[in-house]
Amino acid sequence: DAKTTQPNSMESNEEEPVHLPCNHSTISGTDYIHWYRQLPSQGPEYVIHGLTSNVNNRMASLAIAEDRKSSTLILHRATLRDAAVYYCILRVLKTSYDKVIFGPGTSLSVIP
Amino acid sequence: DAGVTQSPTHLIKTRGQQVTLRCSPKSGHDTVSWYQQALGQGPQFIFQYYEEEERQRGNFPDRFSGHQFPNYSSELNVNALLLGDSALYLCASSLDRAANSPLHFGNGTRLTVT
Repeated sequence: DAKTTQPNSMESNEEEPVHLPCNHSTISGTDYIHWYRQLPSQGPEYVIHGLTSNVNNRMASLAIAEDRKSSTLILHRATLRDAAVYYCILRVLKTSYDKVIFGPGTSLSVIP
Repeated sequence: DAGVTQSPTHLIKTRGQQVTLRCSPKSGHDTVSWYQQALGQGPQFIFQYYEEEERQRGNFPDRFSGHQFPNYSSELNVNALLLGDSALYLCASSLDRAANSPLHFGNGTRLTVT
């Protein structure tokens, strides 16, 4: 099963950019990179996803390395509401197979 | 537009009992997955339902079973509850099997087994 590795925890000051790294060295050509975050007492929330090119949406940006073995989630200006556990996952899709494997994620603390 | 809804939000059961958890997917979604999340860990995949059939399964015993109804809603059943089954159970829905289809999660059912 495809795996990702992330730092256990990170800290950021409020209103500063945050770069959350993820390694996925065993990624295959058709695997999508998804990011989700989970606030306390809630289910995971979709943040962004991509395949090869960098992606931007209203929540964040996703920078994907050229060899696709790593990616970085970028929060442009951290707010206190961004304090959460961030999960980088690979969406593995093959015939009759659609499986998502979560690691322990990165717990992001935002300092006022 | 309602997102994924799960019921009940909390549940307390005794070891050996059986439990049924329910999930209504986001409107228009046809695929439902179930996850178990122990405290301090990431969600662990239990199984996925599509077109009323279990399409694939994670590393969970047969005590865990499910069902998907024609309206795409789903149930998770756990028999012979163990203390270790205490966890947050999450339901996620998606539009189809495409890898570019984001998962939408409910806020889960917190199951406590005593």
